Parts: sequence; C-alpha cells; structure tokens
Amino acid sequence: KQEVTQIPAALSVPEGENLVLNCSFTDSAIYNLQWFRQDPGKGLTSLLLIQSSQREQTSGRLNASLDKSSGRSTLYIAASQPGDSATYLCAVLNAGGTSYGKLTFGQGTILTVHP
Amino acid sequence: DGGITQSPKYLFRKEGQNVTLSCEQNLNHDAMYWYRQDPGQGLRLIYYSQIVNDFQKGDIAEGYSVSREKKESFPLTVTSAQKNPTAFYLCASSMVQGYEQYFGPGTRLTVT
Repeated sequence: KQEVTQIPAALSVPEGENLVLNCSFTDSAIYNLQWFRQDPGKGLTSLLLIQSSQREQTSGRLNASLDKSSGRSTLYIAASQPGDSATYLCAVLNAGGTSYGKLTFGQGTILTVHP
Repeated sequence: DGGITQSPKYLFRKEGQNVTLSCEQNLNHDAMYWYRQDPGQGLRLIYYSQIVNDFQKGDIAEGYSVSREKKESFPLTVTSAQKNPTAFYLCASSMVQGYEQYFGPGTRLTVT
C-alpha cells in the first residue's frame, strides 16, 4: 500500500529565506505527483503537478522536482514571503495496486514565514 | 465562473442524526471524490464516482453513503453509524479518474 511522508512536519523561517519541503513515497508506480497549498479552514489549491516522466516543474518562485526511482520529491520556495504561510501537501496518483487511480496524500508541512 | 461548490461551510449536528453534505461542479467533469481531513492525518478517500450512477468505496467508507444521479452533483451523507464524524470534508472532481483533481472549499462538520 502506498505511503506518502512529508518532512518536516512544521517549518518556521524568516522572510526572504529560500526553503525546501520534502516528500517521499513508497511505491514508484505513479502517474504523477502534485503539490497543494491549503490555508487554514480552506480547500486545496494545486501549485504544481509533475508527470511521472518529468523531472521538474516551475511556477514563479516555486520549483518542484521528482525522482520517481528513489521515491522522492522536493518543493523549493525561493525568497519566501509571509503570504507563503500555509500547509503544503504532497499527493501521488497511483498507477498500480489496490490504490490504482487514487490520490494518496502526505500529512503536510505547516510553513510559517515571519516578517 | 467554473468551479466546485460545497455547502454549507459549517454544519452542526447532534449525535445520532444523519446529515448530507452538498458538492456541485460545473466543470463538466466525469469523476468526483469525497475526502475527509483530520488534524495531522492528511486526506483520506471516502467514496469516488467515475461516472453518473456509479460509485465505489474508498479507504474509509464505513458510516457514509453517496449518490450520483447527476453529473454535476455528488452529495455525501454522514450516517449515525459513523463513529467519529467531526472532521473537515473536501469534495474534488477530475475530467476522468486519473487526471488532475480540483478541490472545493470544504465543509466543517461538528457533531456533539
């Protein structure tokens, strides 16, 4: 059964710092990996989606990488701002096993960027 | 303005009562999903539907029921058999199963 782990569980940084969030998954049979942002009490906003054949995706200050063979992804946030404070969730779309076609989520990293 | 709507945003119920959460989408998506989110546990799949009049159990379907009579709508009923119903419930849809999912704003259910 697919398991997704995110490290660290929480992160607090000063404004302007570059930071990296980590996501690992146990089963490399995936279609894609997606990074979401969730503000308190709100739904999920998709940030980046990386297909299994891709190595990275970029959007503005965000860059996500994927190493499918080792079961790892990182989300890099450049020049962090207080508005980046949120929970960041990683999810994989499974391509095999009993979880075929379903998303498996990590528990999230709570990011706080202080002025 | 396309998207997914969930109502209500907050819902309070007494223990032993059934309650239905609404999810509507105007994205013309075939697939729809219900997730439950508890603090520190990420999202867990309750039910999903690939097409109208068809749905399958997810990982934690016990105590829940769904229907898919219209493409746009996928209501979730939390029954009195659900032992710990207090949670944040999220609905999502995708063009077809396996494609990128888009999420609604969520409904926070509190049962006392």
